[in-house]
Amino acid sequence: AQKVTQAQTEISVVEKEDVTLDCVYETRDTTYYLFWYKQPPSGELVFLIRRNSFDEQNEISGRYSWNFQKSTSSFNFTITASQVVDSAVYFCALSEDYSSASKIIFGSGTRLSIRP
Amino acid sequence: EPEVTQTPSHQVTQMGQEVILRCVPISNHLYFYWYRQILGQKVEFLVSFYNNEISEKSEIFDDQFSVERPDGSNFTLKIRSTKLEDSAMYFCASEGLAENIQYFGAGTRLSVL
Repeated sequence: AQKVTQAQTEISVVEKEDVTLDCVYETRDTTYYLFWYKQPPSGELVFLIRRNSFDEQNEISGRYSWNFQKSTSSFNFTITASQVVDSAVYFCALSEDYSSASKIIFGSGTRLSIRP
Repeated sequence: EPEVTQTPSHQVTQMGQEVILRCVPISNHLYFYWYRQILGQKVEFLVSFYNNEISEKSEIFDDQFSVERPDGSNFTLKIRSTKLEDSAMYFCASEGLAENIQYFGAGTRLSVL
């Protein structure tokens, strides 16, 4: 069965702290995509990253970095030197089919609050 | 920057009424999706659409739901007879060929009274 688990329901840190959001997934497929989306208080879903199952290289984009570990079925997201604008709900997601028009399965989200 | 546009941003309707939620996907995208998010919960897949037909649908997408691409730009979700439990944020998404990234609109909040 396909499943995405984000065990951390809410995280609150002080600005400038580093924070890691955990994501664990389950899938029977050997080929799949993993995603992170951000949902700020305004409600829209903002695409952050896509990673395919064959690429285990970690990725860094500014203050954001992602750690994909196939051995533990995890795809964790770290924000370095957090800022108040990072406050949002973050969703990890999985797409099992490598083709297009494939549904995305979302985790339940982690609400991140950055305190000034 | 191209974006997915959804209208209206908020729709209020009476139980039993029909509603149509509208979406304008990113130009040149070929794959279209509807998702919903009940307040405070996770985002759930409803339906995907390609080449003028449904590719996949979830168990949520029952006979009360339908999708249509009536012209070259709009993609609509119709709920024939709304129920209280249909109250949610509905997101449209679109995807380009071989891109495997779904870009979401800002959503339509549907409130069924």
